[in-house]
Amino acid sequence: EIVLTQSPGTLSLSPGDRATLSCRASQSVTNDYLAWYQQKPGQPPRLLIDDASTRASGVPDRFSGSGSGTDFTLTISRLEPEDFAVYYCHQCSHSPLTFGQGTRLEI
Amino acid sequence: EVQLVESGGGLVQPGGSLKLSCATSGFTFSSYWMTWVRQAPGQGLEWVANIKQDGSEKNYADSVKGRFTISRDNAKNSLHLEMNSLRAEDTALYYCARSSGWTSDHWGQGTLVTVSS
Repeated sequence: EIVLTQSPGTLSLSPGDRATLSCRASQSVTNDYLAWYQQKPGQPPRLLIDDASTRASGVPDRFSGSGSGTDFTLTISRLEPEDFAVYYCHQCSHSPLTFGQGTRLEI
Repeated sequence: EVQLVESGGGLVQPGGSLKLSCATSGFTFSSYWMTWVRQAPGQGLEWVANIKQDGSEKNYADSVKGRFTISRDNAKNSLHLEMNSLRAEDTALYYCARSSGWTSDHWGQGTLVTVSS
């Protein structure tokens, strides 16, 4: 099983700041099948990034994904108030599929 | 518009059974992998199972293998999760998701399963 470790656990920033979230895999994620999700309270997760760096439909371009192999990063270039949420990485290359434990982005 | 609506959750005693369903619309159901993901109260996301377009391939998390069965009815555009030998640690909000490849790109609102005596 691929274990995904996200850091930091909590990130405290302000609107307008740049956010950098990390996801490290215990073994290589084949074909960079790594996704990022945003989840707000009382809502299901929303797909932001697919295949490590492809923005999902309707996702603002302030969100970007990078990385390959075992190290991946989600960057939010300039935080908007609606970006404060929990973010999960998710590897979709090997069964069982796994999620990271999440990074809480707070004001 | 892609829509996924889960149903079938509720309160069940330890050792009991429950069958979840997910009604879908707005896309060609038979063309997509489908997935169940759960989230225990206040906790993170846990992938549970997925199923190939024609039902010929199914994958399960170790935590549910042998107890849960995923299935689909392409004629009725519906996904199911049969859960047996339920445990307290199965208590969670269960999400149904459409998957492109294995990446879940659209999610339902979830149905709550509570395992308690």
